[in-house]
Amino acid sequence: EAQVTQNPRYLITVTGKKLTVTCSQNMNHEYMSWYRQDPGLGLRQIYYSMNVEVTDKGDVPEGYKVSRKEKRNFPLILESPSPNQTSLYFCASSFRGDHQPQHFGDGTRLSIL
Amino acid sequence: GQNIDQPTEMTATEGAIVQINCTYQTSGFNGLFWYQQHAGEAPTFLSYNVLDGLEEKGRFSSFLSRSKGYSYLLLKELQMKDSASYLCAVRGQAGTALIFGKGTTLSVSS
Repeated sequence: EAQVTQNPRYLITVTGKKLTVTCSQNMNHEYMSWYRQDPGLGLRQIYYSMNVEVTDKGDVPEGYKVSRKEKRNFPLILESPSPNQTSLYFCASSFRGDHQPQHFGDGTRLSIL
Repeated sequence: GQNIDQPTEMTATEGAIVQINCTYQTSGFNGLFWYQQHAGEAPTFLSYNVLDGLEEKGRFSSFLSRSKGYSYLLLKELQMKDSASYLCAVRGQAGTALIFGKGTTLSVSS
């Protein structure tokens, strides 16, 4: 089944404890992206990647890192999480092309205490 | 700046027709997407418009007017399962990221 898989789905952790949210897609998509979704603010892009070893900042990259060593994986790293990073996070992927729709993972709900 | 506006909430009854509007101001235009998002779930793709006019897909249709910076999503024969948030997203410059509106929460009642 074609899908974007995120792990974990839920995580409660404490300020400053490094964490990684994994994202994997099995559709051979070139483009992958991370969003956060907050009430009243909608979906905001954190980082995106057009292909392997190519990553770029989105609208809200501060406090996050990403890597794209393989086509299928695009992990999101929070080196020193803070409470303002408590949010619902979505990974998405698509083929390259402005008309291509993005496929979203099921989301990861992070709570940073 | 770049901006996308949608109504925050709408209500409708089963069997009715509802139109969700989206206006945008972006640097360039390379397509507009509509996504549906049920509470607690991932957004799913509904439609894509890049040329002016109406795209029909079953009970859902999407319209675009590039000169007016305006789109709408039309949902016919509403069902309870259509209760969800509807997200309008625009790609400004070619090859750049999608810009999402804040979404319209639609509540369908019987």
